[in-house]
Amino acid sequence: GAGVSQSPSNKVTEKGKDVELRCDPISGHTALYWYRQSLGQGLEFLIYFQGNSAPDKSGLPSDRFSAERTGGSVSTLTIQRTQQEDSAVYLCASSLARTGGGDEQFFGPGTRLTVL
Amino acid sequence: AQSVTQPDIHITVSEGASLELRCNYSYGATPYLFWYVQSPGQGLQLLLKYFSGDTLVQGIKGFEAEFKRSQSSFNLRKPSVHWSDAAEYFCAVGTISGGYNKLIFGAGTRLAVHP
Repeated sequence: GAGVSQSPSNKVTEKGKDVELRCDPISGHTALYWYRQSLGQGLEFLIYFQGNSAPDKSGLPSDRFSAERTGGSVSTLTIQRTQQEDSAVYLCASSLARTGGGDEQFFGPGTRLTVL
Repeated sequence: AQSVTQPDIHITVSEGASLELRCNYSYGATPYLFWYVQSPGQGLQLLLKYFSGDTLVQGIKGFEAEFKRSQSSFNLRKPSVHWSDAAEYFCAVGTISGGYNKLIFGAGTRLAVHP
């Protein structure tokens, strides 16, 4: 079956512009995660969605970052007024979110964002 | 606070040699532990995971890992490395937060394989 897909694969933008990154999770997966992978910071958790529950936004680095998940499926991560330090690979993952934790997260190929 | 340490940033081995990648974690409860591999330009692929039970876990591509609670370690091993194993390897601990599994990753170990 299809895995997690992300678009675009690469995005180059100018400082100060807004960008939107898209994630299509695996069909039937109720949990969706965004992570950021940047040089010197490794992989950082950003935000988590589970069904209709309020998302856990505890990992978002600033109020310029926001995310939404429409219809419990596709998610969009939006970065407003981009800064050069936002340059990174943004990874999306989805899982079945079995109770008790420990379920496997399946990752997409990522979106490489470059802010000039 | 939960954390994952991968002491080796870069490792180079010869093809056919054995491999061990180190991972130490800090977590108050019984951890969920994972190893992921990331090939250039690719997303993360799960190699193996430990939830409970047998402390020696078998994964894909001939990898295995051993959970040692006394050492807070979850080292990844492979008896004979192939050139296609060159990639970056991430150890992660799953922390239960609000009933779901947030992954905390180590910094990664980049593996180079010499022919």
